[in-house]
Amino acid sequence: DAGVIQSPRHEVTEMGQEVTLRCKPISGHDYLFWYRQTMMRGLELLIYFNNNVPIDDSGMPEDRFSAKMPNASFSTLKIQPSEPRDSAVYFCASRRRGARDTQYFGPGTRLTVL
Amino acid sequence: DQQVKQNSPSLSVQEGRISILNCDYTNSMFDYFLWYKKYPAEGPTFLISISSIKDKNEDGRFTVFLNKSAKHLSLHIVPSQPGDSAVYFCAARYQGAQKLVFGQGTRLTINP
Repeated sequence: DAGVIQSPRHEVTEMGQEVTLRCKPISGHDYLFWYRQTMMRGLELLIYFNNNVPIDDSGMPEDRFSAKMPNASFSTLKIQPSEPRDSAVYFCASRRRGARDTQYFGPGTRLTVL
Repeated sequence: DQQVKQNSPSLSVQEGRISILNCDYTNSMFDYFLWYKKYPAEGPTFLISISSIKDKNEDGRFTVFLNKSAKHLSLHIVPSQPGDSAVYFCAARYQGAQKLVFGQGTRLTINP
């Protein structure tokens, strides 16, 4: 199994630009989670999906952030327009229904907004 | 409002000694707690967990202790090895919920 795949691994962009982060979850997993990691707040949940449907987006910081999951094997997190305070590492994780312990994380995308 | 707090950003321990990582939480509705380990340039990986009905769970060199009255849990690593050097995240889950609430993480360094 390839694990959770995220792209790009690194993204450097300028303030005001649109950024799209991509995630391919593990095949057969029902849940997909998007997290952001910062020094101050650690790992914060932004949004999660169950069977491609967004269930809880209360962690999305503001309207500049949006996430979609058009099918079971692909999800995107978009920031438009990006700001320097969005600089962080963004992780995608997936989990199989019933496996309460184990969320499998991708390697993350390090985003730098100049 | 940080519901799960790891107050020590970093910890340095001698190889072979015990490492103790601490975590405090504020919400008594949490019923399940987990520790994740993260190496640089990798995503976090699950390490060990404990249900609120227990006060201890052991897995090899790793033991998690839960003190519900103090809303405190700790991860003990004995003996500590250089490969244990990583960032450790504490996480908690509400009863019946799917999402996890993570702490800020503690960077553990094991010195040879």
